[in-house]
Parts: sequence; structure tokens; C-alpha cells
Amino acid sequence: SQQGEEDPQALSIQEGENATMNCSYKTSINNLQWYRQNSGRGLVHLILIRSNEREKHSGRLRVTLDTSKKSSSLLITASRAADTASYFCAVLHAGGTSYGKLTFGQGTILTVHP
Amino acid sequence: DAGITQSPRYKITETGRQVTLMCHQTWSHSYMFWYRQDLGHGLRLIYYSAAADITDKGEVPDGYVVSRSKTENFPLTLESATRSQTSVYFCASNPRDRAYEQYFGPGTRLTVT
Repeated sequence: SQQGEEDPQALSIQEGENATMNCSYKTSINNLQWYRQNSGRGLVHLILIRSNEREKHSGRLRVTLDTSKKSSSLLITASRAADTASYFCAVLHAGGTSYGKLTFGQGTILTVHP
Repeated sequence: DAGITQSPRYKITETGRQVTLMCHQTWSHSYMFWYRQDLGHGLRLIYYSAAADITDKGEVPDGYVVSRSKTENFPLTLESATRSQTSVYFCASNPRDRAYEQYFGPGTRLTVT
């Protein structure tokens, strides 16, 4: 079954507002990653947070990780129309192989209205 | 051009035909992956490879075959295509030393009629 479960499935906001997406998973992880996918394109890596980290920032992105609740949040501040995309969380299982296999969630579709 | 490319970008084929999707990366990344993306299922791993001549099954390998004779190429073959294999296929790679961040190709949209 899918490890990363995302919430909400779709989010519609106005430009300038903040967007928050949540991801939950079931088993222990090595790290959790967030990817963006623009329509008709491949996924692009945004940010990675390790299991021993609680918060990470990259530009307008802020990711938090709560391993006790097995959940993560991605916050996009001051959103822009160009942020319109699908966002996926992906987990790397703890104690797994060294192949770097990721398990992806079903994604959150973010629409930012100008 | 540098990066990861997939070909063809679009393919329509008939049930029962053999189809090969190509993936080529210019970074000499060790690890390569094939995913399929379907509505309601997100991305699911089909096969992966840690190096040339080393491949292993992912979550949904049935009906697919892979090979990796060269580090830069990782073709995916549907031996006898079925309608359930209609999907968007993504190839990805990652270098051994980048903490498993993956780089994705642009995808191949496959329709099996």
C-alpha cells in the first residue's frame, strides 16, 4: 500500500496566500521528500528532510516532520500563480536497501489564482 | 543535451504488441528507476537498477521486463501490452551520493487499444 498519503487532494487559493499540504506515512522512514509536477511534465525534487530533522527551509518552502505522528507538512508562503502544480511526498523507508527506493503519495493538486 | 530523456514521448499500440520505452541519462548516475503514474494511484515503482546488469522488481513488475547493459540506458519493455498498462511512464535516476534525491525524465504517455 502507499506509504505517503496526502491531504488535501486539491487546494485552491489566491496569489499571495500560503498553501499547506500534509503527508502521512505508516512505517519508519530514512527521509521524506517533496516533489512538484507541472502538468504534462516529470517530477522535480523540491526538498528532502531526514528522519532526525524537524524542520527545513528552502526559499518560500518550509517542511516539517513529526516522526511521532508519522506526518509531514509542506508550506509554500506567498504563493504565486507559477506554483500551480501537483505536489507529492515520497518516503524512503528505514532499514531498506541502499537502492534509494521511494514510495510516493497520490499528490495534492494546488491551484493558485492570480 | 545533458539530463534524462525518454522516448517516445507518446505511443499508441495495440493489445498484445511488444513495446519498448527508452530512457537515457547523461550524468552516469548509478541508480535508475521506472515508475507508472495513474489517476488514483500516484507513482508506483515498476523496476529499478543499482548499476549496469543489476536490476530488481518494484511494486508492480508483472508484464514488464527491463535490462541495463550500459549505465546510461534503462529500457522498459512491455512484452505483450494490455489495456491495463495504459499509463504515463516515468524514468528517474539518482547518484549514489545525493541522499536519494531523484531526477525524473519528461515521461512517456502510452495508450494500449
